[in-house]
Amino acid sequence: DAKTTQPNSMESNEEEPVHLPCNHSTISGTDYIHWYRQLPSQGPEYVIHGLTSNVNNRMASLAIAEDRKSSTLILHRATLRDAAVYYCILKNTGNQFYFGTGTSLTVIP
Amino acid sequence: DTAVSQTPKYLVTQMGNDKSIKCEQNLGHDTMYWYKQDSKKFLKIMFSYNNKELIINETVPNRFSPKSPDKAHLNLHINSLELGDSAVYFCASSQQGARSSPLHFGNGTRLTVT
Repeated sequence: DAKTTQPNSMESNEEEPVHLPCNHSTISGTDYIHWYRQLPSQGPEYVIHGLTSNVNNRMASLAIAEDRKSSTLILHRATLRDAAVYYCILKNTGNQFYFGTGTSLTVIP
Repeated sequence: DTAVSQTPKYLVTQMGNDKSIKCEQNLGHDTMYWYKQDSKKFLKIMFSYNNKELIINETVPNRFSPKSPDKAHLNLHINSLELGDSAVYFCASSQQGARSSPLHFGNGTRLTVT
């Protein structure tokens, strides 16, 4: 199964942009890139997903490298409520979602 | 309306007991999952059901038995509970066939085995 690698932790100042990187060098041509986040004491929640083109929604933006071997989740203005663990995962044709260790984001007031 | 709901939220029990966790989704999805999150926060997939059929069964002790009475429900029964079963268990659902369909998670069941 395709795997992803992310930094264990990152810090950001409040109201500044945050770029969360993810490497997925073994991605196949049909795998979608999904991002989820998990706030303390809650279940993971969907953030954004994409296949080849960059994507924007009300929560974040997703920048996908041209070779699709890496992607970056962009939070345009970090707030204290964005402090969470962010997971980058690949959804394959078998409808399987395998989570990695994620990036723990700390937002500094 | 809660999309994916699990009960109970907390479950404290003794070693050797048998317990069940229930999960229901009202999103009309055809695929449901159970994930286990241990103390190190790693989310590990346990089972996946599509239209009541088992499609993923990771290396999980056979003391764990999922049951799907219909595609909106996936319950998890655990026999002979052990200390190592203590974790947070998450139910999730998605729509197979739509590769962009995201996962929707419940809020988890915190199981403590003493």
